[in-house]
Amino acid sequence: IAGITQAPTSQILAAGRRMTLRCTQDMRHNAMYWYRQDLGLGLRLIHYSNTAGTTGKGEVPDGYSVSRANTDDFPLTLASAVPSQTSVYFCASRILTATNEKLFFGSGTQLSVL
Amino acid sequence: QKEVEQNSGPLSVPEGAIASLNCTYSDRGSQSFFWYRQYSGKSPELIMFIYSNGDKEDGRFTAQLNKASQYVSLLIRDSQPSDSATYLCAPSKGGTSYDKVIFGPGTSLSVIP
Repeated sequence: IAGITQAPTSQILAAGRRMTLRCTQDMRHNAMYWYRQDLGLGLRLIHYSNTAGTTGKGEVPDGYSVSRANTDDFPLTLASAVPSQTSVYFCASRILTATNEKLFFGSGTQLSVL
Repeated sequence: QKEVEQNSGPLSVPEGAIASLNCTYSDRGSQSFFWYRQYSGKSPELIMFIYSNGDKEDGRFTAQLNKASQYVSLLIRDSQPSDSATYLCAPSKGGTSYDKVIFGPGTSLSVIP
């Protein structure tokens, strides 16, 4: 049982480089999310997708892009990384029924931009 | 006004005491709420989901929801050192409509042995 898989686990990146963080789920959940978490702070929503083919902006979308070509994959791309994007990135998927909801989180990607 | 606010921490309680964590939200359309616990260096994990006004109990945890006041709380009875973590709340539109999920800034709890 995999759940949500994020890759890489950690990455050191030179400023200006392009980077794609991968997120894959095997639970067939419609909704997926990308959050960043800076040291000692809460989760901030970057982008989300309610279903394959659709995406939306969260609280801090600038400098990031996403795509949702299918249900399982939701990659996050930094087109030209900057040091302020140093953070831990969490991907999540969501189950939703009339009386129950849950976000399932991946194990996170630690990204350092130098 | 921020979408979701939580009582500022860090919050310290002695072992065995009741820890009270609060969360207020601005969107009156919110119908349900998550409480997540996050240990340092780990992913958040769900400890409570509540969608009805009133109380919901699960072991030592009780969530209290008041939609009229736009307020949800989490009480931890008989606090243990293992409860030391950051607690995050997030409202949701609920029902069958997906929407973005915005978390509060979190409250850091420290249970002192």
